[in-house]
Order: sequence, then C-alpha cells, then structure tokens
Amino acid sequence: QKEVEQNSGPLSVPEGAIASLNCTYSDRVSQSFFWYRQYSGKSPELIMSIYSNGDKEDGRFTAQLNKASQYVSLLIRDSQPSDSATYLCAVNFNKFYFGSGTKLNVKP
Amino acid sequence: KAGVTQTPRYLIKTRGQQVTLSCSPISGHRSVSWYQQTPGQGLQFLFEYFSETQRNKGNFPGRFSGRQFSNSRSEMNVSTLELGDSALYLCASSDRVSYNSPLHFGNGTRLTVT
Repeated sequence: QKEVEQNSGPLSVPEGAIASLNCTYSDRVSQSFFWYRQYSGKSPELIMSIYSNGDKEDGRFTAQLNKASQYVSLLIRDSQPSDSATYLCAVNFNKFYFGSGTKLNVKP
Repeated sequence: KAGVTQTPRYLIKTRGQQVTLSCSPISGHRSVSWYQQTPGQGLQFLFEYFSETQRNKGNFPGRFSGRQFSNSRSEMNVSTLELGDSALYLCASSDRVSYNSPLHFGNGTRLTVT
C-alpha cells in the first residue's frame, strides 16, 4: 500500500469552477501536510501547508485536513487556465512522502 | 533569499558513464533531499542529508550515492549509468526546524542517458 494516494486524473473543470483535489495517507502519526503545484517540465512549487484539522485558506486556495479519516484536500476556487498543472500531495512523517499527483485541466 | 540552485540544468551521458549533480540549498537550510522523477514513477525519494550526515535513504541501488559538505551544499553521484536512469533529478532543501518545515525544490537537472 502506498503511503500517499491521489487520483491521477486528469480532472477537467471549466474556467471559474471549483476544482477539488483529494489525497489519502496511511500513517496516523503524520504531522504536516503540503500541496505542491508542478507545471509540465518544471519543478514542484509549494502552494499550501496545513498541520491542524479543519480548513486553511490562502487566496483562491483552501486546504482541508481530516486526520481521523486520514485525508487532505485542496480546493481551488474560480479556477483559471493558469491553474492547469499537476498537484502533488505530500505528507511528512519522519520523511516526506509524495503522492503521484493529480493532473488538473482548466478549460477556458 | 536565493532559492535552491541545481547545476547543471541538462546533461546527456552514455550508458556506463558516471555523473555528478550539484545542489546549493537556501541559505540557512541544513537539510538537502534528492528525488528522481520519471513520468511513470512520479517522485521517488533518493536520500536526505542533514548536517553532512545521511539521515534517510530510499530504495535505490548503490550506484546512487550522495554527500553533503560543511556549507550544506550537496552532490549526488550516479555511477555506471543505465538507460533507466534518464529522469529529472530534483533537489529540495528545508530548515527542518520542525515537522512543519516544507521542502523547497530547485529547478532540477534533466539527465538523459543514451
């Protein structure tokens, strides 16, 4: 079983819609959770971090964490074509574990 | 602050050769991690160095090795290159002050083995 699981997608949403990306993890002692965005041919870029249960908002991005259910999600409001990328979920328990990423396509 | 710097950006090598990749972390960061990224396998963890000591190691053969210097700069070496080593190699640094410290990635080195 992989430590971090993500749906590979692609997830297609129209411009202006809400994109919802999900991630589940296997270790109950995980302390911190991160979302990275990776454009094709580029390196991952940190966009959100979350450590406590609940929601954390930053601009159009909201990260949601539920430790009891072992999932973390990322909501992107008012999706733009420039949001089209692969989104990587990362979980830190002693070392970082990355999901395989969800490819998001935002259609104009 | 300058970001994580990786050199070179691109490399083309022949099977059987060896290669050394370099990474300079963000100033003040003592942890450097290396990842291999291929289209089929995603991000695969190679190893992490902290204050010149290997702290964690992934499941890669011994042909992959690394080291970290006293100034936190790190190098990764791959010997006896194979075609399957063609990948984007990413270096990431962290201050590792707490579990909440994120990784910050460099632009990567794209290695092509022919």
